[in-house]
Amino acid sequence: EVQLVESGGGLVQPGRSLRLSCAASGFNFNDYGMHWVRQAPGKGLEWVAGISWNSGIKGYAVSVKGRFTISRDNAKKSLSLQMNSLRPEDTALYYCAKDMEYAGYAPLDYWGQGTLVTVSS
Amino acid sequence: EIVLPQSPGTLSLSPGERATLSCRASQSVTSSYLAWYQQKPGQAPRLLVYGASSRATGIPDRFSASGSGTDFTLTISRLEPDDFAVYYCQQYGSSSLFSFGPGTKVEIK
Repeated sequence: EVQLVESGGGLVQPGRSLRLSCAASGFNFNDYGMHWVRQAPGKGLEWVAGISWNSGIKGYAVSVKGRFTISRDNAKKSLSLQMNSLRPEDTALYYCAKDMEYAGYAPLDYWGQGTLVTVSS
Repeated sequence: EIVLPQSPGTLSLSPGERATLSCRASQSVTSSYLAWYQQKPGQAPRLLVYGASSRATGIPDRFSASGSGTDFTLTISRLEPDDFAVYYCQQYGSSSLFSFGPGTKVEIK
């Protein structure tokens, strides 16, 4: 059974940093691209960042480019999102999601339950 | 950036009725790289359809989808109580195209 478990969310002040993690199990993590998708309270889905199976291809939404960094550790089957210079508009539930393909940017066929990030003073 | 407006914003229907949801891209979608997701309150999204018309694993056949170019449709043939949710379309294929529509809420009339 595929499982994606996010952690690292919490309350953080504007301008500070936070690092999210996603632990994967139940599939060959090495073989698939991975993504972060967020959802602000009461709002729709917003893609944040994606990474290919070997970390060779990374992509970011315009809203986070230059502030967020996606990375993965295939040996540990984990995905991370380093979030710097956080803003109140980054407040959201952050989902880790598995790509259907290795290169990334295919549909997302498995999702975690999310970790909540609140940016507020 | 390709925008994916969805219509209607809310669809009020009764169980057993047919639901037709629309996703219209601002530019032609390459190779029908269009997916649909279902999200129920308090749950993560679930992939329903990819490649514009291929049902994901385990998705019942009352869900069907079609379209190409800029116009795409998700149809639920006979709504069951479990189908009342928010539905999102998504374009994929590259980082510059990886985006979701604003969603259509299907609510019980």
